[in-house]
Amino acid sequence: KAGVTQTPRYLIKTRGQQVTLSCSPISGHRSVSWYQQTPGQGLQFLFEYFSETQRNKGNFPGRFSGRQFSNSRSEMNVSTLELGDSALYLCASSSLAGGTYEQYFGPGTRLTVT
Amino acid sequence: GQQVMQIPQYQHVQEGEDFTTYCNSSTTLSNIQWYKQRPGGHPVFLIQLVKSGEVKKQKRLTFQFGEAKKNSSLHITATQTTDVGTYFCAALDQGGKLIFGQGTELSVKP
Repeated sequence: KAGVTQTPRYLIKTRGQQVTLSCSPISGHRSVSWYQQTPGQGLQFLFEYFSETQRNKGNFPGRFSGRQFSNSRSEMNVSTLELGDSALYLCASSSLAGGTYEQYFGPGTRLTVT
Repeated sequence: GQQVMQIPQYQHVQEGEDFTTYCNSSTTLSNIQWYKQRPGGHPVFLIQLVKSGEVKKQKRLTFQFGEAKKNSSLHITATQTTDVGTYFCAALDQGGKLIFGQGTELSVKP
């Protein structure tokens, strides 16, 4: 099976702009989660989508939003970018089969805000 | 909210030495997962522990889940340069969110 793919891999944006990141999960996986990774804060949970519905949300401001499509592909959007949003954004998919929450991560999108 | 504390933050070892990272929670965990992230890479799932006192082995890696299900450890025997990376534990909070520890960065000197 193909792994989780994320596009774009690298992005440079200016403060105040908005950005949309895309994630295609492993075929058959219906759960998609997003994480922000920074050197100082580690891996922070953003949100999880399952069957097009947001199941969980982390402690991030409303500028961070996401959605999931019927084919399980997911997008996350960050509006009014701030310098502190510079990070590696990781998407992970899970089948949730058998109650396991094993996460398969994509390569990430490296976002730099200047 | 629930936090998972992981120590140490960094560990530098000579190749062939053993390595252990610890994960602790103030609340009982339903399960715990371990991931490895190589430098420049993304986290890769290693294992999930569910039962109290559970011990699982993967070659040189030994994973333990505490009897009270509040702590876990990952032990690597005779480290190799291929073990370099950051090891994360992760646990589901009551709301179903996966919470990651801060990670332990392992460097191995040949």
